[in-house]
Amino acid sequence: EPEVTQTPSHQVTQMGQEVILRCVPISNHLYFYWYRQILGQKVEFLVSFYNNEISEKSEIFDDQFSVERPDGSNFTLKIRSTKLEDSAMYFCASQGPNEQFFGPGTRLTVL
Amino acid sequence: RKEVEQDPGPFNVPEGATVAFNCTYSNSASQSFFWYRQDCRKEPKLLMSVYSSGNEDGRFTAQLNRASQYISLLIRDSKLSDSATYLCVVNRGGYQKVTFGTGTKLQVIP
Repeated sequence: EPEVTQTPSHQVTQMGQEVILRCVPISNHLYFYWYRQILGQKVEFLVSFYNNEISEKSEIFDDQFSVERPDGSNFTLKIRSTKLEDSAMYFCASQGPNEQFFGPGTRLTVL
Repeated sequence: RKEVEQDPGPFNVPEGATVAFNCTYSNSASQSFFWYRQDCRKEPKLLMSVYSSGNEDGRFTAQLNRASQYISLLIRDSKLSDSATYLCVVNRGGYQKVTFGTGTKLQVIP
């Protein structure tokens, strides 16, 4: 069964450093998303992406965040200068005919 | 009012019990509704979609009441493996973002 994959599974970084989180969506899907979940809180939408453009973004997705599809398979989330409050689980998702499929997540820890 | 509201629980139930979870949503234009399951520190996984006519999948039954903007999930004959957080998820339609509730934690006790 096709699945969304994400790397790395865990990223530890120092405050102020840049991080890039990588995702490989399901191959025939066209719409991609990033969500985050701070420990103990609900899953929150960050950004949606279609046809090499951002289609919607939340208030969380400020100038420190960017997304890119550098090739035909990868979908990346970059955080330019990480803050302590960016520590969270980041989930990538891609849209199927009915529901969204989620990757296993990257746990980002900012020290 | 929160977009999607759930009782966070926890619900502690014995094996074999029937348990029901409720969810309300605020946007009357919402189009698609789902229950996802999330195990600790794992990704959300689709449990079932929810339709106005109601739908059943084995021990799980989901109902949607559009007039009351209310979604429910019933789990019959609870198993230990049902222990997880159950997420109510709402979509405004098409390929738009989904909105999650806070989740309801279920612990099934031997």
